[in-house]
Amino acid sequence: GAGVSQSPRYKVAKRGQDVALRCDPISGHVSLFWYQQALGQGPEFLTYFQNEAQLDKSGLPSDRFFAERPEGSVSTLKIQRTQQEDSAVYLCASSFQGVAEETQYFGPGTRLLVL
Amino acid sequence: AQKITQTQPGMFVQEKEAVTLDCTYDTSDPSYGLFWYKQPSSGEMIFLIYQGSYDQQNATEGRYSLNFQKARKSANLVISASQLGDSAMYFCAMREGPGASRGGYNKLIFGAGTRLAVHP
Repeated sequence: GAGVSQSPRYKVAKRGQDVALRCDPISGHVSLFWYQQALGQGPEFLTYFQNEAQLDKSGLPSDRFFAERPEGSVSTLKIQRTQQEDSAVYLCASSFQGVAEETQYFGPGTRLLVL
Repeated sequence: AQKITQTQPGMFVQEKEAVTLDCTYDTSDPSYGLFWYKQPSSGEMIFLIYQGSYDQQNATEGRYSLNFQKARKSANLVISASQLGDSAMYFCAMREGPGASRGGYNKLIFGAGTRLAVHP
């Protein structure tokens, strides 16, 4: 079966441009997470969806970051007016229900470089 | 606030030897879980092993085992019989809270990682 997929894999943006990053979770997975991984660091939580409901957006660094999952499957992370500090790998993960011991399955990430 | 500490930025091991990657954590929640993930150069995070705070036995998955010392708040990963394909970044992560079955969910907090190099 297919795993979590993300597109694009690489994105170069000029400072000030808007970008949209897509995540296709594993089919049937209720929970979807976005993480940001700066160079040389561990991933940091951005936001969480349970089906189409965004239950936690406490990790979004600013109001330039926006995420949606309108039909409870595919999710899009949008960054408006990109800044150089937004350069990072953006990882998407999904899990069946999101319960305590359940594994999160990660996609390959989108590597964003803002020039 | 929860915190994960991985004090070894880099480790190397000879092929077929065992290696221990350190992880300490800090939480005041009695219910938590600890995960180890592997991240090869391709970037994908690969789940290795899980230990729940109430689990009585140390977790094992094939060549991976978790040395869980609750009183010391440590959850070290032991890789036995290292292989060249084990060369990667390794992240320790913690889930704090009861999880979705009790109204919470499985948000992970990651350490900074340890880069493991396996030499032939």
